[in-house]
Amino acid sequence: DAEITQSPRHKITETGRQVTLACHQTWNHNNMFWYRQDLGHGLRLIHYSYGVQDTNKGEVSDGYSVSRSNTEDLPLTLESAASSQTSVYFCASSGLTSGRADTQYFGPGTRLTVL
Amino acid sequence: EDQVTQSPEALRLQEGESSSLNCSYTVSGLRGLFWYRQDPGKGPEFLFTLYSAGEEKEKERLKATLTKKESFLHITAPKPEDSATYLCAVYNDYKLSFGAGTTVTVRA
Repeated sequence: DAEITQSPRHKITETGRQVTLACHQTWNHNNMFWYRQDLGHGLRLIHYSYGVQDTNKGEVSDGYSVSRSNTEDLPLTLESAASSQTSVYFCASSGLTSGRADTQYFGPGTRLTVL
Repeated sequence: EDQVTQSPEALRLQEGESSSLNCSYTVSGLRGLFWYRQDPGKGPEFLFTLYSAGEEKEKERLKATLTKKESFLHITAPKPEDSATYLCAVYNDYKLSFGAGTTVTVRA
């Protein structure tokens, strides 16, 4: 069965360190997304990609970067981790359906703690 | 800017006690409204997509409806396994904007 996986599931790091969170999907979806989820804010979009070599900033992109070198993976990098980036991170993917809103399918999440 | 507001923030129900969750939205040209269920420690799980006012969709004890300004998720005769956080999101420009969610607790 097609799926979307994230690793690691839990990560503790120190302020200032570079951290990379992995996202891998086997749906063969063109679109991939990264969100963070914090109490009281719901899910907020960090970065997204509509295909290989395409990346775009979301509403909370400062301090994060992504790169898309193949269809299956969209790693999220925190350049210099800050305590404000302690959160739960979700990756999602969706396929292209012309003219209709396409459904996003979510991974299990990564809980990141920055000390 | 798209805005999505969900109410109430939390809802405690007795098993069998039906209720409704509200999702009000402002968006320039709604392309779709999504409902997701999220269990603790897990990612959101897709429930429904509604595309136009008047549309309704059902799945087991859940029924979602849509008007031009809001959507309702009706839970009929809930069971403890319906306990979860329910998220609403509007779709625009290939992206989703989420509300903060309603956490539903169903007591046996």
